[in-house]
Amino acid sequence: SYVLTQPPSVSVSPGQTARITCGGNDIGNFRVHWYQQKPGQAPVLVVYDNDGRPSGIPERFSGSNSGVTVTLTITRVEAGDEADYYCQVWDSGGDHVVFGGGTKVTVL
Amino acid sequence: QITLKESGPTLMRPTQTLTLTCTISGFSLSRSGVGVGWIRQPPGGALEWLALIYWDETKRFRPALQSRLSITKDASRRQVVLRMTNMDPADTATYSCARTTGDGYFDVWGHGTLVSVSS
Repeated sequence: SYVLTQPPSVSVSPGQTARITCGGNDIGNFRVHWYQQKPGQAPVLVVYDNDGRPSGIPERFSGSNSGVTVTLTITRVEAGDEADYYCQVWDSGGDHVVFGGGTKVTVL
Repeated sequence: QITLKESGPTLMRPTQTLTLTCTISGFSLSRSGVGVGWIRQPPGGALEWLALIYWDETKRFRPALQSRLSITKDASRRQVVLRMTNMDPADTATYSCARTTGDGYFDVWGHGTLVSVSS
């Protein structure tokens, strides 16, 4: 079945830019979605369809899918952005949902 | 306001069957495109999708767990029920339900319920 690969951790200083990658075979053919999960809380959708931003999500959060690389970018990082971030796709070939392994973002 | 709330046992014994209920509000399980999925997360682990049921009764399951899972919905009671047979300590996790509107992602999540499996 389809596999999404994320780096286990990313560290960033406040005010800097965090970039979280999500890799998979032919990932350019997928619509990738991103969730933020803070400790003890439910996941929150922060990007859908590669680069869409749900209502209420700050513009500091953006997504991209170059066909080779899928990236969630957080600009002007704040302490409150410290969380686990998961990418997700719908694998139409297998007809099921796939999550990446998650990336822990630490704000130094 | 759209909400989902999970309910069910907190402690299971190995080999028992888990039954979890997701009670929704603020949207209809009968609306075209709408679905409710179940996702679990072991302590300190990653999200793992389990199952999904759509407004038209279409169902999808995680392949590795398909033989142990069933999912049903009752639109009038605004509930989606997940059953998992033959529970094992490795199934200890927080189980969450979430809504999809058919676009391949989950836009609203419940807070989840922790299920522990131990003898």
